Parts: sequence; structure tokens; C-alpha cells
Amino acid sequence: EPEVTQTPSHQVTQMGQEVILRCVPISNHLYFYWYRQILGQKVEFLVSFYNNEISEKSEIFDDQFSVERPDGSNFTLKIRSTKLEDSAMYFCASSVPGQGSTEAFFGQGTRLTVV
Amino acid sequence: AQSVAQPEDQVNVAEGNPLTVKCTYSVSGNPYLFWYVQYPNRGLQFLLKYITGDNLVKGSYGFEAEFNKSQTSFHLKKPSALVSDSALYFCAVRDIGQAGTALIFGKGTTLSVSS
Repeated sequence: EPEVTQTPSHQVTQMGQEVILRCVPISNHLYFYWYRQILGQKVEFLVSFYNNEISEKSEIFDDQFSVERPDGSNFTLKIRSTKLEDSAMYFCASSVPGQGSTEAFFGQGTRLTVV
Repeated sequence: AQSVAQPEDQVNVAEGNPLTVKCTYSVSGNPYLFWYVQYPNRGLQFLLKYITGDNLVKGSYGFEAEFNKSQTSFHLKKPSALVSDSALYFCAVRDIGQAGTALIFGKGTTLSVSS
């Protein structure tokens, strides 16, 4: 069964450093998303991406964040200058096109720890 | 603004007994509603969704959910709980209309099934 894969599974970085989280969405999906889950809290939407541009973003997704689809398979989330409060589990997801009725399939997540 | 409420942080049930995990939502229009399950250190797994039609929807692992428009609820149910159902359950909503828009998640309910 096709699945969303994320690398690395765990990343530790120093405050102020740049990190790139990588995702390979399911191959026939066209919508891509990043969500995050701070430990013990709910899953929060960061950004959605379609047709090589951001289609929606939340207030969390400020200028420190960016997304890119550098090739036909990868989808990345970059945090330019990490802060302690960026420590969270980051989930990539993808879905097929549809009028909002299609479910998103989530990867296993990347646990980001900022020290 | 869209929102989802899961009023119970934890639900405890004995194996073999029926279970209900509650969810209420608020959207400006008509909703698409989803349930996801998260096992420890894993990503979110899609369980079921309500789009339109029959108010009772069936999903994976014997789970079902009932959509009640007047009460703006979408409670998750299972007739007979298993110990392996113990996990964190998230309800999510998306406003009908636009594909690729954010899923808004509730804070999650931990289901604990005892043997």
C-alpha cells in the first residue's frame, strides 16, 4: 500500500540553525501539507501546497518557514532559524484532488528537537 | 472560524463493551468530517469520513461514526472494544468548498481499553 514517507525520523538541531524536513508524498497525489504536533497538544495545520504554490497557510507559517517541491517526488519544509518553540513532531500529508472530500494520508512524522 | 471540540481527554472502557468518543464541530458552511487514530510514535491513520448521504458512516477496524447536523456532532463508535483499539483519536473538520484546505483537528481523546 502506498504511503507517505518522511526523513529523518528524528532531528536534533541547535537554536538558530536551519533545518530541512523531507517528505515523499504518495505518487498520484497532488495536494501536499505540513502539520505539526507539539508534545501533548493537538495537531496544527501549517501549510498546503498545490500546483507548485502555497494554497493555504496558517498563522504559524511565518517568514521563518518555507516549502518547496524541488523535484517530482520530494516535498520539503525548511525552517530558517529554529527556535526552541519549534520543537515538535512535524507531519507531512498528501491527498488526491477533490472538493475537500478527500482524506489526507499522513507520514510517520519527523520529531524535531531544538536545543 | 472552524473548530473542533473533543470534550473528553480520556475515555476508559472494558474490552467487549461499546465505546463512544465524542466530537462536536463548528464551521461556517457544511462540513467534511474525519476521524484519525494515532498509535504511540506513529503518524495519523485515517479511520473514516462523512461527506454526504447516510448519517452513519463505517470505517476501518469496525469503527463507525454518526453525523448529527442539528447537534453539530460526529461521535466515533464501536460496538465491541478491543485492547488493541487503545490509542489517541482525533476528530477533524474541513469546510466544504475548497480542495486542499486545512484539516482542523480537535485536541484528541485517549482511548484506553482494559482487558
